[in-house]
Amino acid sequence: AQTVTQSQPEMSVQEAETVTLSCTYDTSESDYYLFWYKQPPSRQMILVIRQEAYKQQNATENRFSVNFQKAAKSFSLKISDSQLGDAAMYFCAYLRDKLIFGTGTRLQVFP
Amino acid sequence: DAGVIQSPRHEVTEMGQEVTLRCKPISGHNSLFWYRQTMMRGLELLIYFNNNVPIDDSGMPEDRFSAKMPNASFSTLKIQPSEPRDSAVYFCASSFFPGSYVSNQPQHFGDGTRLSIL
Repeated sequence: AQTVTQSQPEMSVQEAETVTLSCTYDTSESDYYLFWYKQPPSRQMILVIRQEAYKQQNATENRFSVNFQKAAKSFSLKISDSQLGDAAMYFCAYLRDKLIFGTGTRLQVFP
Repeated sequence: DAGVIQSPRHEVTEMGQEVTLRCKPISGHNSLFWYRQTMMRGLELLIYFNNNVPIDDSGMPEDRFSAKMPNASFSTLKIQPSEPRDSAVYFCASSFFPGSYVSNQPQHFGDGTRLSIL
């Protein structure tokens, strides 16, 4: 069965600095998709970025980028130039036929 | 564009009562998902529909839970009778499934219903 692991329950970063959130997953499939979702205190689930497993190039969305290591089954999220509005829970998710979420990492951003 | 719409946003009721949560997916999306989020178990998929047909309900905790999707624009999740351990945030999400085995379409989530069973 596929699993998604986020080993950092909490992380903190200073405003304008860079932070990396870790995610590993377990699967025997070669074709799948990976996502990072953000959940602010308002509890909305907001898609941040996605990666296709067949693409070697790492996805980027403005200040957000991923480091996708398929062989290592690792999918970390890098947030550059952190802003106060980035404070939220971040969930890594794996999609094959179902979306499977990690347990989340709470990110705090200090001014 | 209207996103996924869930109602009510908050529900507080006494144990034993019937609870009905509602969801309107994004127009054009043909897949709909119900999730439950708790501190202990995180985000769990309860059930999902494709073209109004339930595909996988293996996440439904027990017979007290039921879900329906009578048409492409509406779904309900019902708990009868409700228990305090059902207290959680329930999310509905929708996406477009093109019919291929692996879908790359992200799921769009509603704002969730916070359910409290006293």
